[in-house]
Amino acid sequence: EPEVTQTPSHQVTQMGQEVILRCVPISNHLYFYWYRQILGQKVEFLVSFYNNEISEKSEIFDDQFSVERPDGSNFTLKIRSTKLEDSAMYFCAGGTTGGELFFGEGSRLTVL
Amino acid sequence: QKEVEQNSGPLSVPEGAIASLNCTYSDRVSQSFFWYRQYSGKSPELIMSIYSNGDKEDGRFTAQLNKASQYVSLLIRDSQPSDSATYLCAVNRNTGFQKLVFGTGTRLLVSP
Repeated sequence: EPEVTQTPSHQVTQMGQEVILRCVPISNHLYFYWYRQILGQKVEFLVSFYNNEISEKSEIFDDQFSVERPDGSNFTLKIRSTKLEDSAMYFCAGGTTGGELFFGEGSRLTVL
Repeated sequence: QKEVEQNSGPLSVPEGAIASLNCTYSDRVSQSFFWYRQYSGKSPELIMSIYSNGDKEDGRFTAQLNKASQYVSLLIRDSQPSDSATYLCAVNRNTGFQKLVFGTGTRLLVSP
């Protein structure tokens, strides 16, 4: 069964460094998302991406964040200058027009 | 008022019993409703989706939706220790871009 794959599974970085999280969505998915989950808290929407552009973003998704789909398959989330409060699990998800979202295994980001 | 509310639990049930998980949402125009299961340290896994008022059954799981009361529930029959996890209710206000809003989740503990 196809699945959403994410890399890296865990990244440790210093505050102020740039981080790129990568995702390979399921091929027939049309909509792509990044969510994050701070330890012990709820899953929060960051951004949705459709037809090679951002369709919606949350207030969390400020100028430090960006998303790209550089080669038509990979889907990336970049954090330009990480802060301590960016430490979280970041989930990539994909879906079709049916409404159901399928999540990758997540990338754990630890900012020191 | 929170967009999606769930009792954080834990909800403790003995093996073989019925577990009943509840969720309320604030946005009346919400159209799509989902239950995800999340094991500790893992990503959300889709269990059920429901779009119309009434019940929807899938194996041991039954989702119930009452849009007038803005209420969604999940029943798990014949609960197993392997069902012990956090159950996340997620709501989407339209059927276009699938931005899901998650509740904080209810932790379910099934004792042998």
